[in-house]
Amino acid sequence: LAKTTQPISMDSYEGQEVNITCSHNNIATNDYITWYQQFPSQGPRFIIQGYKTKVTNEVASLFIPADRKSSTLSLPRVSLSDTAVYYCLVGVAYSSASKIIFGSGTRLSIRP
Amino acid sequence: EAGVTQFPSHSVIEKGQTVTLRCDPISGHDNLYWYRRVMGKEIKFLLHFVKESKQDESGMPNNRFLAERTGGTYSTLKVQPAELEDSGVYFCASSQGGQGQETQYFGPGTRLLVL
Repeated sequence: LAKTTQPISMDSYEGQEVNITCSHNNIATNDYITWYQQFPSQGPRFIIQGYKTKVTNEVASLFIPADRKSSTLSLPRVSLSDTAVYYCLVGVAYSSASKIIFGSGTRLSIRP
Repeated sequence: EAGVTQFPSHSVIEKGQTVTLRCDPISGHDNLYWYRRVMGKEIKFLLHFVKESKQDESGMPNNRFLAERTGGTYSTLKVQPAELEDSGVYFCASSQGGQGQETQYFGPGTRLLVL
């Protein structure tokens, strides 16, 4: 599975848009890009997945450039409740039943 | 729809004792996974059941860990005897099975402290 690199931590304020970028230079042709969110004292939670271009759901948007060597998770108008750890994951595993390999994630802190 | 549940939420035991963790997956989910995060480290995969069969147990650290899923419903993870380095958070996840997107739904975790 492709290795990912993302910021260790980020800070922002309520109402701002937050963008977290993940690098995955050796992504394979069949790999998907998936983001999970983990709140304190909870298990990780799937938030979005994409293969190329842009994907949007009720929680976030995922932007993937043409070369797919990076991706950006965008959280619009964050609130205090968006404080969490965000994991960028790359691999074909997420379209078939297989283990997830977690990295260290990005610890996002939202301030009033 | 009920989510993945885990029991207990916390467990404090002494070194050498036995602890059994339980996971109830989402009803109808064939795939069940165990993961853990030990202190200061990343979440690591332990094993994967498809129904009652072990599909992948490559992440099990040693033979002190025994996972079962009799009947293909809930699963237990037993640690016997527990060691200090087993302290951490143990997560269970489940997914539906079959073709298509396989989102894994995680439980809240069991926090294990071995003294």
